[in-house]
Amino acid sequence: KQEVTQIPAALSVPEGENLVLNCSFTDSAIYNLQWFRQDPGKGLTSLLLIQSSQREQTSGRLNASLDKSSGRSTLYIAASQPGDSATYLCAVKPTGTASKLTFGTGTRLQVTL
Amino acid sequence: NAGVTQTPKFRILKIGQSMTLQCTQDMNHNYMYWYRQDPGMGLKLIYYSVGAGITDKGEVPNGYNVSRSTTEDFPLRLELAAPSQTSVYFCASSYPPVGSNQPQHFGDGTRLSIL
Repeated sequence: KQEVTQIPAALSVPEGENLVLNCSFTDSAIYNLQWFRQDPGKGLTSLLLIQSSQREQTSGRLNASLDKSSGRSTLYIAASQPGDSATYLCAVKPTGTASKLTFGTGTRLQVTL
Repeated sequence: NAGVTQTPKFRILKIGQSMTLQCTQDMNHNYMYWYRQDPGMGLKLIYYSVGAGITDKGEVPNGYNVSRSTTEDFPLRLELAAPSQTSVYFCASSYPPVGSNQPQHFGDGTRLSIL
């Protein structure tokens, strides 16, 4: 059974710092991995999707990497801003399944002034 | 653009009551999903649908039922509410299947408490 773990559960950094969020998964047979952002009281917004054949994806100040063989992904946020404060979730889509994502428990990020 | 709309946003139920959580999307997506999110936990898939008239169980389907009579609507029904069903429920949609290069769109959630 696929398990997805995100460490740390919570993180507080001062504005302007670069930071890394971690995601690990137990079964390397994945189709892709996604990073989502969740604001309090809101749904999820997809940030980046990495196909299993890819090593990384970039969008603005965000860079996500994937090392499928070791079961790890990282989300790098450059020059953090208070508006980046949210919960970040990663999710993997195993190979051979129709429509099922397995989510991590999330990292709650607070960027302080 | 409305995207994925969920109603109600909040609800308190008594044990044993029933209710339907509504979800509608205006993006003509074939795939729709219901998740629940418990405090400090990730999302778990309850049911999903690949099109009108077709539904399938996810990871945690017990205590829930769904139907998909139209492309737009995917209601989730709780027949006999139990305290273990206290959670935040998210509806999502996508086209084509989740995990392709197209993102999955989420509603803002329904916060349900069962007392």
